Amino acid sequence: EDQVTQSPEALRLQEGESSSLNCSYTVSGLRGLFWYRQDPGKGPEFLFTLYSAGEEKEKERLKATLTKKESFLHITAPKPEDSATYLCAVQRDSWGKLQFGAGTQVVVTP
Amino acid sequence: ETGVTQTPRHLVMGMTNKKSLKCEQHLGHNAMYWYKQSAKKPLELMFVYSLEERVENNSVPSRFSPECPNSSHLFLHLHTLQPEDSALYLCASSQETGGTGNTIYFGEGSWLTVV
Repeated sequence: EDQVTQSPEALRLQEGESSSLNCSYTVSGLRGLFWYRQDPGKGPEFLFTLYSAGEEKEKERLKATLTKKESFLHITAPKPEDSATYLCAVQRDSWGKLQFGAGTQVVVTP
Repeated sequence: ETGVTQTPRHLVMGMTNKKSLKCEQHLGHNAMYWYKQSAKKPLELMFVYSLEERVENNSVPSRFSPECPNSSHLFLHLHTLQPEDSALYLCASSQETGGTGNTIYFGEGSWLTVV
């Protein structure tokens, strides 16, 4: 059975304190791994798609990497506005159906 | 603005009521989805439509009834719900090409409370 596990569940950072979030997965025939950001009371906002091991993508203070077993979302020098829940999801078949992890709630304090 | 609009944003209904959630996408996509997000649980896929045809029903109780009249609109009809159905219901869309990594874009969600 496909599984997506995110760790830690929650992360509290000081502004400027870099850290990484982990998404480990077991899925056969991975078509894509997705990262989303979700603010309280809102829908998930798309960040990145990674397709193959070794791939990296960056957006502002965020950088996502992918191996055959896991993905990391690195947050460099975070700011309070980076506070959110970060969701990881995998796509196994040709449809856009995604299986999500439970998320990592990140709080960045000034 | 995500290109996927959901109404209403908040809904309170009794267990004997009938209500509907509406979703409209302005992205030119041909696949639409309903996901459910409950507290402390991962997002759960409920229904998938491609070109207005339902292609997946993830063992969802019959008290939830989807409708997709065209590729831009999606409804979720609700009747005789239970308090445990209270959750955030998210509509999403994607361009279904059969290729790799079709990105799904979500709406802001409809908060449902069943009393």
